[in-house]
Amino acid sequence: GAVVSQHPSWVICKSGTSVKIECRSLDFQATTMFWYRQFPKQSLMLMATSNEGSKATYEQGVEKDKFLINHASLTLSTLTVTSAHPEDSSFYICSASFTSRGDTQYFGPGTRLTVL
Amino acid sequence: GQQLNQSPQSMFIQEGEDVSMNCTSSSIFNTWLWYKQDPGEGPVLLIALYKAGELTSNGRLTAQFGITRKDSFLNISASIPSDVGIYFCAGPTPGDDKIIFGKGTRLHILP
Repeated sequence: GAVVSQHPSWVICKSGTSVKIECRSLDFQATTMFWYRQFPKQSLMLMATSNEGSKATYEQGVEKDKFLINHASLTLSTLTVTSAHPEDSSFYICSASFTSRGDTQYFGPGTRLTVL
Repeated sequence: GQQLNQSPQSMFIQEGEDVSMNCTSSSIFNTWLWYKQDPGEGPVLLIALYKAGELTSNGRLTAQFGITRKDSFLNISASIPSDVGIYFCAGPTPGDDKIIFGKGTRLHILP
């Protein structure tokens, strides 16, 4: 149980385009979903926390107008990277939790974004 | 802000060797989590520790919650090739629903 999927698993796009990444909890309802970014050989850095039906809470230094997060249902959250640039190339990982506690997060397999 | 410091940053070992790594913090954590990340994948939870002094095993993995609540240890016995990867310690920030991650220990097994 507690499976989280992400789609797509990888994407290559041109600079200036927008990319949407989906995160789904397949067998449980996620009270909270988290979005992380991981640069090569770095740790996971939390970008934002989202609860179903409410606005996401962004970490300091993360542009909310660039990284749009929608958490429309208890099983789906989306991250849209708007007007992507090469410096946005990274590994984006979501996690989902069925409690409000961060220690019950289940991670998706990640999405590799490459912006040309 | 709070930080988790992992040691060592990387390890090169022979198959069959035991492995030990640790994680320290300048502040108290009420929960310690150990994750493993394979290349190109998301982290997978290995062990969760909820009580100071707790010692928990998951197969060949054993983790301990330090008495001071500022550190935790992960041991892997009789390493095998599939143990290769990055091991992260993590913990929820007290009074918050977020978790922070250490920088990871990269485990390599020499042929």
